[in-house]
Amino acid sequence: QVQLVESGGGVVQPGGSLRLSCAASGFTFSTYGMHWVRQAPGKGLEWVTFIRYDGTNKYYADSVKGRFTISRDNSKNTLYLQMNSLRTEDTAVYYCAKGVAAAGITHFDSWGQGTLVTVSS
Amino acid sequence: EIVMTQSPATLSVSPGERATLSCRASQSVSSNLAWYQQKPGQAPRLLIYGASTRATGIPARFSGSGSGTEFTLTISSLQSEDFVVYYCQQYNNWLWTFGQGTKVEIK
Repeated sequence: QVQLVESGGGVVQPGGSLRLSCAASGFTFSTYGMHWVRQAPGKGLEWVTFIRYDGTNKYYADSVKGRFTISRDNSKNTLYLQMNSLRTEDTAVYYCAKGVAAAGITHFDSWGQGTLVTVSS
Repeated sequence: EIVMTQSPATLSVSPGERATLSCRASQSVSSNLAWYQQKPGQAPRLLIYGASTRATGIPARFSGSGSGTEFTLTISSLQSEDFVVYYCQQYNNWLWTFGQGTKVEIK
């Protein structure tokens, strides 16, 4: 079955950087669009970014544009999120989520368990 | 950005009763609307997509309806495991957005 396992979370100071990974298995990773979604402590869900199956198109929420970069390595079945210039408001659990098509705008049918990022001095 | 507004924020219902959750979009999203359930400490789980299609393995007591800007999630007879948080999500453009969530609590 589909499995998504995030890693790379931790504590970082404001202005710092962190790279998250999401290891995928149980499906043909290279044929699906993928997302990152975050959830601040005690808050709701916020979509962060999307990447097409082939990495050619990427979309970002305004709150992270210019600071975060999504990428993927289809040979390693892994999704990444490079987070730079981190702010305290970036503190959240970060989930990777799978779309249901290669490139279209779809819902998310599988989610990882999340990794916690804490931005604090 | 399409703003999704869920109501109520908290819904108090007795076990076995029906729960009706609402979601409104700031502009039409056609039927590109999904509902997710989130239990404490867990990742969200897909319940409904296309406004009314149940995801694989979702019990028949969950149903969705609506199109355009007004949507409803109905849980016909609440079980103990259903008293958690529900989110709607639109996927009508390249900026996906979620509602703020509705918590269903035991009355």
